[in-house]
Amino acid sequence: ILNVEQSPQSLHVQEGDSTNFTCSFPSSNFYALHWYRWETAKSPEALFVMTLNGDEKKKGRISATLNTKEGYSYLYIKGSQPEDSATYLCAFRRNTGNQFYFGTGTSLTVIP
Amino acid sequence: DVKVTQSSRYLVKRTGEKVFLECVQDMDHENMFWYRQDPGLGLRLIYFSYDVKMKEKGDIPEGYSVSREKKERFSLILESASTNQTSMYLCASSLFGAGGPGELFFGEGSRLTVL
Repeated sequence: ILNVEQSPQSLHVQEGDSTNFTCSFPSSNFYALHWYRWETAKSPEALFVMTLNGDEKKKGRISATLNTKEGYSYLYIKGSQPEDSATYLCAFRRNTGNQFYFGTGTSLTVIP
Repeated sequence: DVKVTQSSRYLVKRTGEKVFLECVQDMDHENMFWYRQDPGLGLRLIYFSYDVKMKEKGDIPEGYSVSREKKERFSLILESASTNQTSMYLCASSLFGAGGPGELFFGEGSRLTVL
């Protein structure tokens, strides 16, 4: 079983604050790194699929970076809003097999 | 709009009962997955299937079996439910074709309680 770690485990921020969290994964045999947002009572939804070292992706106020050589990805949220409250999951896929390896998630609560 | 549908959102079963969790996707995806999610643990793969009638064990297959008789449907079976199988179960599908990185599409989850 591969080790994919996310930090912090949980985070409370005030509305309007910017925040970021980390996903660490093995630096060898990299194929793809995914970020998902999982809101309570809903399905996890993909935010980003990242495949190249140095990738930077952006969707509105949320962005992500990828460093495959050192095995980490950052997710940034600029100007957090209450609707950003969710658990953010990262998933690593290596270049052999079809399996995804998930981190334990970062639970974000944005306080109005 | 793509959709993965799980048959039951909440189930309560007794120890020893046989439990079926059904998952249907409408995206013609080859790959389907069953995960369980427990507090403090990441999503853990139970089984996945990359084609009709094909299956592979994930990290925690013990106590589970699966069935994929049609491309759109992937069933998870607990032959004899036990209390340690109380969990949230998530189904997902993905199109890996042409070597793509294969975003996962998830159902809303089935919360199973075994008494």
